[in-house]
Amino acid sequence: GAVVSQHPSRVICKSGTSVKIECRSLDFQATTMFWYRQFPKKSLMLMATSNEGSKATYEQGVEKDKFLINHASLTLSTLTVTSAHPEDSSFYICSASNAAGGPSYNEQFFGPGTRLTVL
Amino acid sequence: AQSVSQHNHHVILSEAASLELGCNYSYGGTVNLFWYVQYPGQHLQLLLKYFSGDPLVKGIKGFEAEFIKSKFSFNLRKPSVQWSDTAEYFCAVSLTGRRALTFGSGTRLQVQP
Repeated sequence: GAVVSQHPSRVICKSGTSVKIECRSLDFQATTMFWYRQFPKKSLMLMATSNEGSKATYEQGVEKDKFLINHASLTLSTLTVTSAHPEDSSFYICSASNAAGGPSYNEQFFGPGTRLTVL
Repeated sequence: AQSVSQHNHHVILSEAASLELGCNYSYGGTVNLFWYVQYPGQHLQLLLKYFSGDPLVKGIKGFEAEFIKSKFSFNLRKPSVQWSDTAEYFCAVSLTGRRALTFGSGTRLQVQP
């Protein structure tokens, strides 16, 4: 159980276009989903926390108008990189927390990541 | 601001050697502690976690970690590594009541057969 998927796994786009990345919890409900960015040979950096039905909370330094997050249901959150530029090229990873509470409440389950390349 | 430090960036061991990866954090409050592993080409997987109770935590694949509150540390150990343990290991911390994770910079473990 506790499987998180991301789509697409890899995307290449032209500079100036927008790209949408989906994150789905496949076998559990997630009130909270998190979006991370991983730079080459570096750690994961939290970008934003997404709560179902409310606005996302962005970390300091992350442009909310650039990285649009929508969490419309308990199983789906989307990250849209608007007007993408080469510096947005990165590995984007989502994670989800179980809404049911209990021992796993504080645990996050990670998706496989999406490699974004902006030309 | 809170931070997580992993002092070993790249560790190379021979099979059957013992492993200890350091993790220190700086947080003012009560914390939850995690170790994640990322095998080549795969997503992050939870190795073990500490929320409360016994500070010696056992995880999957023979890994364990010890929470030493006085040292703000949560070091990962394995008595005998295998080639299949080659991966990137991340220590992560969250404040109790908050689920957002702060990750360390990661340690790349290379186990030579």
